[in-house]
Amino acid sequence: DSGVTQTPKHLITATGQRVTLRCSPRSGDLSVYWYQQSLDQGLQFLIQYYNGEERAKGNILERFSAQQFPDLHSELNLSSLELGDSALYFCASSRTASSGNTIYFGEGSWLTVV
Amino acid sequence: AQKVTQAQTEISVVEKEDVTLDCVYETRDTTYYLFWYKQPPSGELVFLIRRNSFDEQNEISGRYSWNFQKSTSSFNFTITASQVVDSAVYFCALSEAGYGGSQGNLIFGKGTKLSVKP
Repeated sequence: DSGVTQTPKHLITATGQRVTLRCSPRSGDLSVYWYQQSLDQGLQFLIQYYNGEERAKGNILERFSAQQFPDLHSELNLSSLELGDSALYFCASSRTASSGNTIYFGEGSWLTVV
Repeated sequence: AQKVTQAQTEISVVEKEDVTLDCVYETRDTTYYLFWYKQPPSGELVFLIRRNSFDEQNEISGRYSWNFQKSTSSFNFTITASQVVDSAVYFCALSEAGYGGSQGNLIFGKGTKLSVKP
């Protein structure tokens, strides 16, 4: 158990809908990351937050947004969903925002768009 | 540009065989970090090891060992006496220090699927 908690574990929704994925980082970790894993793109970095502030942005679509709250939990909002958004979404956390920190991953949220 | 290449897409071995998973990376940074993660069939990503660019010592942890060679930009992972429970997808990843050491995110390879048959 990495200590990173993600909900829901599985989600099935229709195209055009909006979903929110939730993440609680490991105790003491200030940085949260979101990654997307799909068959064609592999594991891709989406976005990183550190202590409530956006720190780095990767290949995140404009239809997607995220935030980190004062209690350090984070949410990833996916809107106007398309079939191609079906993927495993990981949340991860680390102690600080710097490279070299070990990044621990949650179990992922499986999103299926039908 | 930064890149991680895991040329072996799939490997199949019989239990008790040794197996080496290859990882080659590209980076312009002199300070960087390399990682291996394991993704079993259940889907979670499990951290295995982190190595920084200044430490080329090989590491052994039980049946696992890692060989880091800066000269060839490789960070290979060997499982000795493989077991069925080792069946998983293994990912190599790179984190660059970047300006001010602020690049915390990971760049992953495509992964190597290891199947260990009884």
